Amino acid sequence: EVQLVESGGGLVQPGGSLRLSCAVSGFTFSDHYMDWVRQAPGKGLEWVGRSRNKANSYTTQYAASVQGRFTISRDDSKNSLYLQMNSLKTEDTAVYYCARGHNSFDNWGQGTLVTVSS
Amino acid sequence: DIQMTQSPSSLSASVGDRVTITCRASHDISNNLAWFQQKPGKAPKSLIYAASILQSGVPSKFSGSGSGTDFTLTISSLQPEDFATYYCQQYKSYPYTFGQGTKLEIK
Repeated sequence: EVQLVESGGGLVQPGGSLRLSCAVSGFTFSDHYMDWVRQAPGKGLEWVGRSRNKANSYTTQYAASVQGRFTISRDDSKNSLYLQMNSLKTEDTAVYYCARGHNSFDNWGQGTLVTVSS
Repeated sequence: DIQMTQSPSSLSASVGDRVTITCRASHDISNNLAWFQQKPGKAPKSLIYAASILQSGVPSKFSGSGSGTDFTLTISSLQPEDFATYYCQQYKSYPYTFGQGTKLEIK
């Protein structure tokens, strides 16, 4: 069974940093693209970025709204995906989901809430 | 960026009805279109990819069609568990973008 479990969310002040993790199981992690998608309270879905797989050198892609502030990384030995978020803004407040990037986003985690507030 | 526009934004229907949601892309995306269902407080669930292919385990009451810029999601014989918000999403080019969502409510 494919499982994705996010962790690391919480309350952070504007300008602060936070690192989210996504632990996966049930599939060969290194074979797959992985994505982060977020959802602000009461709003729609916004794609944040992608980590390509080992065969594509783990290259990354980001939405313009987070480019230069967020960094996606992964550790295939730990079956884990990460989202390092720096220079956080109030508008980054959202539930952050990791998703497997297969046939669009075929499997999602349960999400972790990030609140950016003073 | 490719803009995705769904219509309607909200829809009221009764158990047993058949409903159709439309999604329009601002540029040709071929068939690189997915549909998701989201219930309150839950993660989105993938229903359809490549415009018309059902994800594994998704019942055949859900169907998708379209290509290019115009797409539809049809849900037949609505059941209480189908009342949720539905999103379309393009994965033709970065940044990937979603429609604003269609909230399907019980009449």
